[in-house]
Amino acid sequence: AQSVTQLDSHVSVSEGTPVLLRCNYSSSYSPSLFWYVQHPNKGLQLLLKYTSAATLVKGINGFEAEFKKSETSFHLTKPSAHMSDAAEYFCVVSDYGGSQGNLIFGKGTKLSVKP
Amino acid sequence: GAVVSQHPSRVICKSGTSVKIECRSLDFQATTMFWYRQFPKQSLMLMATSNEGSKATYEQGVEKDKFLINHASLTLSTLTVTSAHPEDSSFYICSARVLAGVVGGEQYFGPGTRLTVT
Repeated sequence: AQSVTQLDSHVSVSEGTPVLLRCNYSSSYSPSLFWYVQHPNKGLQLLLKYTSAATLVKGINGFEAEFKKSETSFHLTKPSAHMSDAAEYFCVVSDYGGSQGNLIFGKGTKLSVKP
Repeated sequence: GAVVSQHPSRVICKSGTSVKIECRSLDFQATTMFWYRQFPKQSLMLMATSNEGSKATYEQGVEKDKFLINHASLTLSTLTVTSAHPEDSSFYICSARVLAGVVGGEQYFGPGTRLTVT
């Protein structure tokens, strides 16, 4: 069965410093992996997705993630945090290959950005 | 493109009444729509999957008679919470999956509906 573990429930950074949100996955198949962002009382916005193409995936707003099969990881990074990045971030795995499966969500990481 | 809307954005109802939430794909046709529930400070839990023209598939532990789902067209799915109770208060989010081969089967999420049962 597929699952995803977000290693930190809360990450706090200062504006202008790098962001690292960690995610490990478990999958019996070649996984499709996603990062979504949710601002307070808002729906989810797709930041980026990995679907077996390039292992380094670039997303919106300067975010990127690297798929590392040997480490079963898909960590989300950004070189320089902005105040507007403060939100909840979800790492998500599709329950079978491609974009056809149901989505399984991690528990989320709350990112706080200090001025 | 690929915009999903939900209506209403927030609703307050009295215990024992029913409330309907609409999910629409505005600029694409969705073969499948999903309904999620999110408790405060928690992740999204899939409630059910609905395919246009057929009965919804509910996840384990979700009462199908309480959470009625209708997917009457390729652009509209509705979730009706029947005989609502305070414990049904939550944030309900829908998503729509585009027709395979058109965009790629990705899910697009609505903005959510905040339900408060008093």
